Amino acid sequence: EVQLVESGGDLVQPGGSLRLSCSASGFTFSYFPMHWVRQAPGKGLEFVSSISSNGGSISYGDSVKGRFTISRDNSKNTLYLQMSSLRAEDTAVYYCVKEQYSGSYFFEYWGQGTLVTVSS
Amino acid sequence: DIQMTQSPSSLSASVGDRVTITCRASQTIYRSLNWYQQKPGKAPKLLIYTASNLQVGVPSRFSGSGSGTDFSLTISSVQPEDFATYFCHQTFTTPCSFGQGTKLEI
Repeated sequence: EVQLVESGGDLVQPGGSLRLSCSASGFTFSYFPMHWVRQAPGKGLEFVSSISSNGGSISYGDSVKGRFTISRDNSKNTLYLQMSSLRAEDTAVYYCVKEQYSGSYFFEYWGQGTLVTVSS
Repeated sequence: DIQMTQSPSSLSASVGDRVTITCRASQTIYRSLNWYQQKPGKAPKLLIYTASNLQVGVPSRFSGSGSGTDFSLTISSVQPEDFATYFCHQTFTTPCSFGQGTKLEI
């Protein structure tokens, strides 16, 4: 059974930093690209960042570019999101997502999410 | 970036109704379109991938169609557990993007 378990969400002050982790199990983690998607309270879904299976290809959404860094440790089956210069508008539930491909790619499995609150 | 527009934003239905949600892309995305269901306090769940492929375990009352810029998700006979919010999602370009969501209410 595929499991994605996020951790690290917290209350942080504007301008602060936070690192999210996602522990993966139930599949061969090193084979699959992974993503972070967020959802502000009462809002829709927003792509945050993605990373290829070997970490060699990375992309970011425009709203987090230059402030967030995605990484992965395939030996630990763990995905990370280092967040810095946090703003109130970064307040959201952050989901770790496993990609799958069949003609085009899609988000096959989602973690339960971890809440990041940016407030003074 | 590609903009995804869903309609309607909300939809009222009764159990047994046939409902259709549409999603329009701001430029062609061929068939790179997925649909997710989200219930309150839960993570999204994949329903349909690559426009019309039913994810394993999803009931056959769900179906997807379309290509190019116009897509639809249809529930042939709404069940009580289907009341949720539905999102479309394009993966033709990077960054990917989501529709704003359609809330299906009783």
